[in-house]
Formats: sequence, structure tokens, C-alpha cells
Amino acid sequence: QSALTQPASVSGSPGQSITISCTGTSSDVGAYNYVSWYQQHPGKAPKVMIYDVNYRPSGVSDRFSGSKSGNTASLTISGLQAEDEADYYCSSYTGSSPHVIFGGGTKLTVL
Amino acid sequence: EVQLLESGGGLVQPGGSLRLSCAASGFSFSSYAMNWVRQAPGKGLEWVSAITSGGSGTYYADSVKGRFTISRDNSKNTLYLQMNSLRAEDTAVFYCAKEYNWTPRGAMDVWGQGTTVTVSS
Repeated sequence: QSALTQPASVSGSPGQSITISCTGTSSDVGAYNYVSWYQQHPGKAPKVMIYDVNYRPSGVSDRFSGSKSGNTASLTISGLQAEDEADYYCSSYTGSSPHVIFGGGTKLTVL
Repeated sequence: EVQLLESGGGLVQPGGSLRLSCAASGFSFSSYAMNWVRQAPGKGLEWVSAITSGGSGTYYADSVKGRFTISRDNSKNTLYLQMNSLRAEDTAVFYCAKEYNWTPRGAMDVWGQGTTVTVSS
């Protein structure tokens, strides 16, 4: 299976909302509600922002939300803040090999 | 405090071997699946391997199958990755990551700081 498809970059101004898409297939994203989203700042380890499509871990701002339609999952960040500028990765369970796949990553720039 | 601490990275020649370790603390290690995820310089995240909470189920990316072996010692709260026949393309930061569940499904809530593996002559 190939990596999930994400836009290479997105940008927005402070206070705006942005959405990052993550497109897979009917064998991964479309088959299971096991999509996660990770935020990674330069030189840091990834941090989970959303798991199981739309569950937000405690401590993660409610400005972050997740959804899924068919083979495409989405991460929406509302009320953009400067500290949201980072790389974002989606992942999905596949039920086969490889067990988990990541997207190529999206660089979010806060203008 | 919930924590994962990787070790064992370093410089190794092509064809060589390394064993990475990940020491867990602050949670019930034996209750959760664990993963290894790597990131080549300037590249994205790549899932490498996973293991169920009890260790009976192991999973690998095609790129490492037959060369890498994941294991865990729940009595020592430690995850391992034995890497053999290393190639230049294995050069990366390797992260261990805890799953939310006893079986891996890509939902990783705790990550280590990473250990760097460089394969070069």
C-alpha cells in the first residue's frame, strides 16, 4: 500500500480556519475508523492531536477537530495561532501489511 | 510521568547490526501495544514495526521485513528493535511510540525523543 496523500503545504492567517486532507483507499482510511493526526515541530517528536478519526486527547485544544468521509479524512484547525505552525501527519490502520501507513505530511504556515 | 526513552542508536557500516531499546516508565507497559516509527533526514514519518501488548503479534513494514525484529520484555518495561543487514536508506531518527490499545492501530499517544541511526561507510 502507498502512503496516504496529503497536500504538501497549507497556510492561513491568525484566527482563520484551515483544513488538511488525507486521502487513502477503501482498504485503509475508508475501511476503518482508525485515522490519527500528529503535529510535529522542528526537531521534536510527533504529538497526537486526533485519534480514531475524531477523538481529541486530553490537553489538546478544542480548536483541533477530525472527520472522515469515504476514503478521505480531514483535520480542521480553527482560530489559527502562531504556535500551530508545524508539520502535520495523518496515519491509518490498514488491517493488512503494512499494518499502519502515514501520509507524506503537510507543512502548515501561519502567515 | 509517562515517559519513553530510546537508546542504542549510532553509526554503523552497511550490512551491520544495531539493537535499539526503549525504556518505558509511568504507565502499565504490559497493557499496551508499541510501535517503532522512523524519520529519515528531511523526510516524513514512516511506520516500521509494531507489537501487541503481550508480544504475540508482531508486524513489519515491507522495507524492513526479514531484517528487523521487534520484541519486548514486559518484566523490564522495555521495547527492542534488532536491526540487521542495515542499509544506507535505514538512516533515520527512530522513535518508539505507545498505542492507546493492546493491539496496534496507529493511534500513538506517547512518543520518545528518538535515537539516531546512521548507516554509512
